Amino acid sequence: SAVISQKPSRDICQRGTSLTIQCQVDSQVTMMFWYRQQPGQSLTLIATANQGSEATYESGFVIDKFPISRPNLTFSTLTVSNMSPEDSSIYLCSVEHTSPGNTIYFGEGSWLTVV
Amino acid sequence: AQRVTQPEKLLSVFKGAPVELKCNYSYSGSPELFWYVQYSRQRLQLLLRHISRESIKGFTADLNKGETSFHLKKPFAQEEDSAMYYCALKGSNYKLTFGKGTLLTVNP
Repeated sequence: SAVISQKPSRDICQRGTSLTIQCQVDSQVTMMFWYRQQPGQSLTLIATANQGSEATYESGFVIDKFPISRPNLTFSTLTVSNMSPEDSSIYLCSVEHTSPGNTIYFGEGSWLTVV
Repeated sequence: AQRVTQPEKLLSVFKGAPVELKCNYSYSGSPELFWYVQYSRQRLQLLLRHISRESIKGFTADLNKGETSFHLKKPFAQEEDSAMYYCALKGSNYKLTFGKGTLLTVNP
C-alpha cells in the first residue's frame, strides 16, 4: 500500500490569496491525482499529475486556477489561486499504487475555508 | 462517459439487520468497480474491489454486468459500520469516478 501525507490539513484563507497544498508519498508512484470534495458533495477529479509532463485537467478546471507541480515520483503540489468562498472544500491527493493491483489510495485531505 | 449512481443518500438500519447499499454504473467498456468507505474524521479508504471477489469486514459486492450494478451487502450490520460509503468506477483512462455517496447509520 501507499502512505500519503498532505499539508496543510486545514487552513482558513483570505479571499484573493493563494494556497499551496503539498502531497508526499512514501513510495514512488507514476499516477497522482488531485480531487476536490465540496461540502456535502462527492469527490470530483481536478487533474492527473504525472512526473515529467504537464498535468491533465478535467473539464471545468484550468491550470491558471489550479497550477500543479510534480517534480518527482513521490511529491506533488496543488495551488488554489485567487481564492473565493466557492473554493472552500476538502482537497485530496491520491495515488495509484501497483501493490496490490493498481489500487488508488487517498491522503487525509486538506480542508480549506475561504473567508 | 462514465457515471456512477448511488440512489440513496441516507440509509438507516438497526444493528444485526441486513444492509444493502446500491450502486449502478454507466460505462461502455469493462470497468473496475470499487467501494470506498470514510469513517468519521478519517481518510477515505478502500473497502472492496470487484476483481478481488473478497469479503472485507463482512461486506461483499458482486459485479452484475447485465444490470450494471455493484451493490454492497452485509448480512448483519454492526454499529461500527456507520460511515459514508462511496461507489467508484475506474475506466481505461485510470481515472476514478465517484458516486455521490450513501451515509449509513447503524442504530443500536
